[in-house]
Amino acid sequence: SQTIHQWPATLVQPVGSPLSLECTVEGTSNPNLYWYRQAAGRGLQLLFYSVGIGQISSEVPQNLSASRPQDRQFILSSKKLLLSDSGFYLCAWDPGTAGLAFFGQGTRLTVV
Amino acid sequence: AQSVAQPEDQVNVAEGNPLTVKCTYSVSGNPYLFWYVQYPNRGLQFLLKYITGDNLVKGSYGFEAEFNKSQTSFHLKKPSALVSDSALYFCAVRGGTGGFKTIFGAGTRLFVKA
Repeated sequence: SQTIHQWPATLVQPVGSPLSLECTVEGTSNPNLYWYRQAAGRGLQLLFYSVGIGQISSEVPQNLSASRPQDRQFILSSKKLLLSDSGFYLCAWDPGTAGLAFFGQGTRLTVV
Repeated sequence: AQSVAQPEDQVNVAEGNPLTVKCTYSVSGNPYLFWYVQYPNRGLQFLLKYITGDNLVKGSYGFEAEFNKSQTSFHLKKPSALVSDSALYFCAVRGGTGGFKTIFGAGTRLFVKA
């Protein structure tokens, strides 16, 4: 069966520090991969999605970037965090057809 | 562009009563529609989906949703609410010119009182 791993679960980082959040999927190949951000426990904002290795699409201009170095690995990064980057970050995947998205457990990032 | 609207920030219902959480969508072409539930500090869990076929879709934990093409709605329903149903519910859509991107509504918080 397929599983998705996202870590760390919580992270507190100072303003200006770098960020790296990792997401990996097991049990499937060539998934679509997504990073969402959820602010204040409400709606999900799509940040990045990827249909294949090295293929990244950005939905909103921001201080973050994403990379997909391997088929089932999706990384969210920042060179210098801002206070406004605080939030709950969710990784998700889907099989690329009409399939639903499966979510990781999320990372709560607090920038101080 | 595709979009999803959940007009209610919060829905309050008494345990045992029926519940409805509303969702309307906008997408070119045929939509794929989903409902997810989120408990505090957790990822989203899938409840049900509509791809094609019967307009009434049954899902997990006794939930169901009705696809109404003319009203572009996909309301989530349950005949008898439980206190444990209290959570944050998200409607999502993908398809049309948005392709495979899944777009989520803002979420509706459901409170079920004992």
